[in-house]
Parts: sequence; structure tokens; C-alpha cells
Amino acid sequence: GAGVSQSPSNKVTEKGKDVELRCDPISGHTALYWYRQRLGQGLEFLIYFQGNSAPDKSGLPSDRFSAERTGESVSTLTIQRTQQEDSAVYLCASSFLGAAPLTEGETQYFGPGTRLLVL
Amino acid sequence: QKEVEQNSGPLSVPEGAIASLNCTYSDRVSQSFFWYRQYSGKSPELIMSIYSNGDKEDGRFTAQLNKASQYVSLLIRDSQPSDSATYLCAVNWEMEYGNKLVFGAGTILRVKS
Repeated sequence: GAGVSQSPSNKVTEKGKDVELRCDPISGHTALYWYRQRLGQGLEFLIYFQGNSAPDKSGLPSDRFSAERTGESVSTLTIQRTQQEDSAVYLCASSFLGAAPLTEGETQYFGPGTRLLVL
Repeated sequence: QKEVEQNSGPLSVPEGAIASLNCTYSDRVSQSFFWYRQYSGKSPELIMSIYSNGDKEDGRFTAQLNKASQYVSLLIRDSQPSDSATYLCAVNWEMEYGNKLVFGAGTILRVKS
């Protein structure tokens, strides 16, 4: 596709429910990243995929959070037993060669985000 | 110490003035530095990248990098109200598994007409 897409764009759920967020990266991009951004805050790194492996999961805040990726395409971020503090915008980004030193002009491109509200 | 630090602002400048946004980073192996702009309710978009010490100009934007001082800045000349946004500094760490962008918390810029 032309850019990174995410779905749903908005999600309202009740505390304790599970949610699944989806990211479609730019075609051909091997690296995929998930971030969380709370209202008025900066970007919080969650997890990084190179292909379908996740060499860096250091940002996942608890074992309620998990993510997977199919090949070099779609990724899903799952939050189990949601809590109110999970309310945030969840952003996905992709880049072409995540494993190689960045060359001039190569960086991450962001999707529009999923706005999650846990009531 | 945070890995990438920015003054949260808000930084207020009059229309037509130069806006100066600053960013410092902790001592890690970094070769690539980026400035992203984020409008309220939108996702970040890349506006500048810089890889070498010195200045890099692109239209009204100039990025400045000083690796010895671990400092990167963004200058916006002839600031316009449409430049009002949050500006995120990002530093690339080359990890053993690949690249990781570490973001600052962002500086809010307000350009007043």
C-alpha cells in the first residue's frame, strides 16, 4: 500500500476485555515497530519486529501485552484484560532495512494510530 | 538521565521569527538523527534527518548536529502559524539486532500571528 495503515482507528472497550490492534506496514518494509502515546506524552517504544521475529520486546509494559507478525506483513498487538491506564494512541511504524545501518533518507514511517479508550 | 531530552515547552514565537528547538542525547553509538513533526491528533511525520556534524538545510528548516556535545537542534525560519505542532527529536541507536529509534518527549511550538 501507499503507507502504513492501522485498524481500527478508534476502539472503546470495557475494563477487563481483550483488544486486538492491527498494523499493515508499507509493502517491502522488513522492520515494524509498535509505540504507545498517552495524551500529551511522548512516544513509548513497545516492540520491534525484524521479519516475523521480535528481537526487542523490552518496551512491553506487562505480560498482558503481546504482539505477533506474519512474515513481513501484518502485525497484531493484543492487550488482554485491559485496564484504564492502557488508554492511549497505539502507533505502528515500519522501515525498509531495520537490521542494517540506516542510510541517508531511511527512517520509520508511521501509521495513523489506533485510539484506545478503556472505560 | 533520559536517553533523549527535549524541553517540553511550549515555545511561543511570533509569526516570521526563527524558532529554535533543541535536543540532547545520552552517550550511545548514534549515527542518525531525526526531527519529526506531530500535529495534534495526528501521527508523527518526518521533516528532517541529519547524519554528519554541522548544518543541513531544507527550505525553511535547518538541522544542526554536534556529536561532541551530543546535541542536535532544529531551526525554523520565517515561522508560520501552520508550524504550530509538537516536534519530536529521535536518535537512532545501532543495536546488535538492528536499529532502534529513541524519541524525546517532544517540544510544543506555538507560532502566533
